[in-house]
Amino acid sequence: ILNVEQSPQSLHVQEGDSTNFTCSFPSSNFYALHWYRWETAKSPEALFVMTLNGDEKKKGRISATLNTKEGYSYLYIKGSQPEDSATYLCALNFGNEKLTFGTGTRLTIIP
Amino acid sequence: DGGITQSPKYLFRKEGQNVTLSCEQNLNHDAMYWYRQDPGQGLRLIYYSQIVNDFQKGDIAEGYSVSREKKESFPLTVTSAQKNPTAFYLCASSSPPGTNTEAFFGQGTRLTVV
Repeated sequence: ILNVEQSPQSLHVQEGDSTNFTCSFPSSNFYALHWYRWETAKSPEALFVMTLNGDEKKKGRISATLNTKEGYSYLYIKGSQPEDSATYLCALNFGNEKLTFGTGTRLTIIP
Repeated sequence: DGGITQSPKYLFRKEGQNVTLSCEQNLNHDAMYWYRQDPGQGLRLIYYSQIVNDFQKGDIAEGYSVSREKKESFPLTVTSAQKNPTAFYLCASSSPPGTNTEAFFGQGTRLTVV
């Protein structure tokens, strides 16, 4: 069974602080890693799709890194804002045309 | 606007009845997917289709059926054989088929079986 682990499960961060969380996966059979943001009452939206070891991607205050050899990705949010409150999902393609999702990290920004 | 539409948003059914969840996309995507979410679990794949008139079972296909007669539509039927059907269901699409491109999601259908 190919598991995708996300930690922490939930996180409360003061507005203006920076934060990060982790997605861990088996390093074998890696093809691609996806990060999605899922706000309450909305659809999940893609943040990044990453395929190369050492990849770093950035969108505004959010960035992500990927280490396929050790099997982890970090998602960073700089200067958290209330609109960053959401569940952040990590999903892996292990080369079988399917995405395997983690359980998500639920982020709450405290004003 | 382009996107994925799931309907209805909330659905209630009596135990033993089949129910069909609608998923329509106007993104011209080849691939479509159905996921299920339960509390404390990640999204789990029920069925997926990479092309019209073809579909494959995902990780938890038992008790579900799908069809893909049109590119835009991928309805999911929850049959009476599904032992625990109460859940939140998400539909997604992507193009080209495969999972190195981002998936686009609908807003979901919450099914409650009483």
